[in-house]
Amino acid sequence: AQKVTQAQTEISVVEKEDVTLDCVYETRDTTYYLFWYKQPPSGELVFLIRRNSFDEQNEISGRYSWNFQKSTSSFNFTITASQVVDSAVYFCALIVSGGSYIPTFGRGTSLIVHP
Amino acid sequence: GAGVSQTPSNKVTEKGKYVELRCDPISGHTALYWYRQSLGQGPEFLIYFQGTGAADDSGLPNDRFFAVRPEGSVSTLKIQRTERGDSAVYLCASSLRFYLGSNYGYTFGSGTRLTVV
Repeated sequence: AQKVTQAQTEISVVEKEDVTLDCVYETRDTTYYLFWYKQPPSGELVFLIRRNSFDEQNEISGRYSWNFQKSTSSFNFTITASQVVDSAVYFCALIVSGGSYIPTFGRGTSLIVHP
Repeated sequence: GAGVSQTPSNKVTEKGKYVELRCDPISGHTALYWYRQSLGQGPEFLIYFQGTGAADDSGLPNDRFFAVRPEGSVSTLKIQRTERGDSAVYLCASSLRFYLGSNYGYTFGSGTRLTVV
């Protein structure tokens, strides 16, 4: 069975601060995929990134960056110079290979960016 | 359509009533997923369709929940004898068949907020 833990329920920062959202996953499979989604107040889940278990290279996309470390089973997400528009709930998700490719989601981290 | 469409966006129903929630996936997406998201929680898987057939319905909580996708496009989630505990946001997602090495994610709809009073 797989599990995703997002220990931070809510994070509150002031605009322009950097913030890191933690994600720890558990799986016995050696091939798996990790995702981050953003859920703004409108409700839809917006895809941000997918990483494969065989590619530990970190990724940067604008103000967003992701740190994938298999040694600690973590896939953390950092927003640099946060903005009010970043306020949302962020979900980390895991898919393991060989099954129905159904994501297991964490409970989410609510990020509030104050002006 | 351009995105995944879910209707209604909000539904209030009385305990014991029957409800239907509709999901219109992205055109051409063969895979369709239903999730339930309770307040403060992540989405929980309910059922997955590949084409017209339910490939995995292990997440349906009990036999009051049922979903169909008769033509491999639009799907309807049906809940009989609703209970207050069924109150949640029901999310639908669609995707092309998931291939190893592909680099896209699922596309989610905005959800239907169901309130059972």
